Amino acid sequence: AQKVTQAQTEISVVEKEDVTLDCVYETRDTTYYLFWYKQPPSGELVFLIRRNSFDEQNEISGRYSWNFQKSTSSFNFTITASQVVDSAVYFCALSKGNNFNKFYFGSGTKLNVKP
Amino acid sequence: DARVTQTPRHKVTEMGQEVTMRCQPILGHNTVFWYRQTMMQGLELLAYFRNRAPLDDSGMPKDRFSAEMPDATLATLKIQPSEPRDSAVYFCASGPGVAGGQDTQYFGPGTRLTVL
Repeated sequence: AQKVTQAQTEISVVEKEDVTLDCVYETRDTTYYLFWYKQPPSGELVFLIRRNSFDEQNEISGRYSWNFQKSTSSFNFTITASQVVDSAVYFCALSKGNNFNKFYFGSGTKLNVKP
Repeated sequence: DARVTQTPRHKVTEMGQEVTMRCQPILGHNTVFWYRQTMMQGLELLAYFRNRAPLDDSGMPKDRFSAEMPDATLATLKIQPSEPRDSAVYFCASGPGVAGGQDTQYFGPGTRLTVL
């Protein structure tokens, strides 16, 4: 069975602090895909990144970075020098490596960045 | 900048009324998903279409919910009759239909439904 756990329900930081959002997944598949989405207060879910299970290279995009570790079944997301605009709910999701394309979403982590 | 569009953005209705939500997927995408988001349940998959054919609607209450794709540019989600417990945000998402599970889903802005 597939499962995604985001244990941090809510995190509050002060602007310019670094923050890491945790994502732990469970799957027996060898091929799978991991995603992160951002849901700002406006409500729309915005796609941030997709990784496949065969690529464990960390990825950096501006102030965002992702650490994928198969050994710990984790796909953590770090925001460096956080800004107020980063305030949102962040979702981690898992997709099996088949054609069904069903997403298994975590429960989300609400990030509050205070000025 | 291609986006998924949803109408209406907000809907307030009374219990027992029919509600129809519409979604226009990104042009060229051939997978469409309907989700419901509530505080208690989080994001729940209601229905999934590929090339306009329903592949999975196991998450949808069959007695009152129905989902269709009359054509490639329109997906609809209907609730009849609506109940207060249906109050939620309903999202539509579409994907390019890449095989093998790597299909990224792009979400619309959602329809916020309130059933009184």
